[in-house]
Amino acid sequence: NAGVTQTPKFRVLKTGQSMTLLCAQDMNHEYMYWYRQDPGMGLRLIHYSVGEGTTAKGEVPDGYNVSRLKKQNFLLGLESAAPSQTSVYFCASSYSNPDSPFSGNTIYFGEGSWLTVV
Amino acid sequence: DAKTTQPNSMESNEEEPVHLPCNHSTISGTDYIHWYRQLPSQGPEYVIHGLTSNVNNRMASLAIAEDRKSSTLILHRATLRDAAVYYCILRLSPYNNNDMRFGAGTRLTVKP
Repeated sequence: NAGVTQTPKFRVLKTGQSMTLLCAQDMNHEYMYWYRQDPGMGLRLIHYSVGEGTTAKGEVPDGYNVSRLKKQNFLLGLESAAPSQTSVYFCASSYSNPDSPFSGNTIYFGEGSWLTVV
Repeated sequence: DAKTTQPNSMESNEEEPVHLPCNHSTISGTDYIHWYRQLPSQGPEYVIHGLTSNVNNRMASLAIAEDRKSSTLILHRATLRDAAVYYCILRLSPYNNNDMRFGAGTRLTVKP
């Protein structure tokens, strides 16, 4: 059972380059998320999706775009990378609790993608 | 928005119990209390969650105050592998992205 898989795990970009981080989950979860974590800080939500074909902005969405064309995949794109986007990126997914959708659900995280922008 | 307050860091000795506190004085009646932990160089992992009653699982116990304004994560016998950052979060509902925020958490150091 792979859970949440992120690729690539490490990447170095030059300022202005673009790239896409891929997240795949095999748990048939409705919800997917992209977080970033800067050194010594907590996780901040970038974008999220509550279902295939839908996306929404999180706490720090500027400079990023996302797409959820398939239920199992959630892509995070950087159109023009900046040094401020140097961070560890975590993808996560969770199911929708049919009994209590607002109660919160167990979130499963990937192992992270280390991105450095020089 | 419901928020939590945790100590920045705590220390424990191996094989001793650890009590990690969390204050959430503005919690609402429908807010679940969630605990996650993040081992070094890994993504966070689920530990436990509860609403009103104390909860136990194989990893930990969650003690919730009667007024629900605070909770305590209890590791019954700390091991070196329990050294991690522990996050206390409310709601975790994607319908309000402010509820999906993981703060700085409590960094637990376990001494052999």
